[in-house]
Amino acid sequence: QQKVQQSPESLIVPEGGMASLNCTFSDRNSQYFWWYRQHSGEGPKALMSIFSNGDKKEGRFTAHLNKASLHVSLHIKDSQPSDSALYFCAVSPMGYKLTFGTGTSLLVDP
Amino acid sequence: GPKVLQIPSHQIIDMGQMVTLNCDPVSNHLYFYWYKQILGQQMEFLVNFYNGKVMEKSKLFKDQFSVERPDGSYFTLKIQPTALEDSAVYFCASSLGGGSAETLYFGSGTRLTVL
Repeated sequence: QQKVQQSPESLIVPEGGMASLNCTFSDRNSQYFWWYRQHSGEGPKALMSIFSNGDKKEGRFTAHLNKASLHVSLHIKDSQPSDSALYFCAVSPMGYKLTFGTGTSLLVDP
Repeated sequence: GPKVLQIPSHQIIDMGQMVTLNCDPVSNHLYFYWYKQILGQQMEFLVNFYNGKVMEKSKLFKDQFSVERPDGSYFTLKIQPTALEDSAVYFCASSLGGGSAETLYFGSGTRLTVL
């Protein structure tokens, strides 16, 4: 059974700062990796995906994947108060089912 | 962006009663999912559904749970009978394709309280 752990559980960064979120997974057959963001009272919304080892940059967001280390991370540059939310990594092998991680609560302090 | 609508947003029922949660997925999407979230914590997969059939389900998808999408209308999750531990926020999602490379679009959830 896939286990997806995120750290830290919660994070406070100043506005304009860098937020770094980590995710480790247990299934070496995992192929697809996503970051989802959930604002309070809403459903999760896909931020970005990463399927190959290395970095992927989309605007202020950079995802890093190292399958050998069973690790994926998300870095948010120039954090804004609107980035305050719950962040989930989600992992899948081939197939249909995404397993979500335990979540990191990010607060950007204005 | 694409919208998934969930009705109702809140539901309070007595233990043992039946409840139906409704989801209006993105119009051209073919794959549908239910996830369960307790207290703003981990999203836990329940089931996915395609072409009238359950493709995969988790251990959380108990025998009391069922899903259907009759004639392209709402995609529904029915719980009969409900138990106290079913209290949670249930999120519906849909995707165009069924592979894990597809983006899932989530609704805003139905908060279910079982008394």
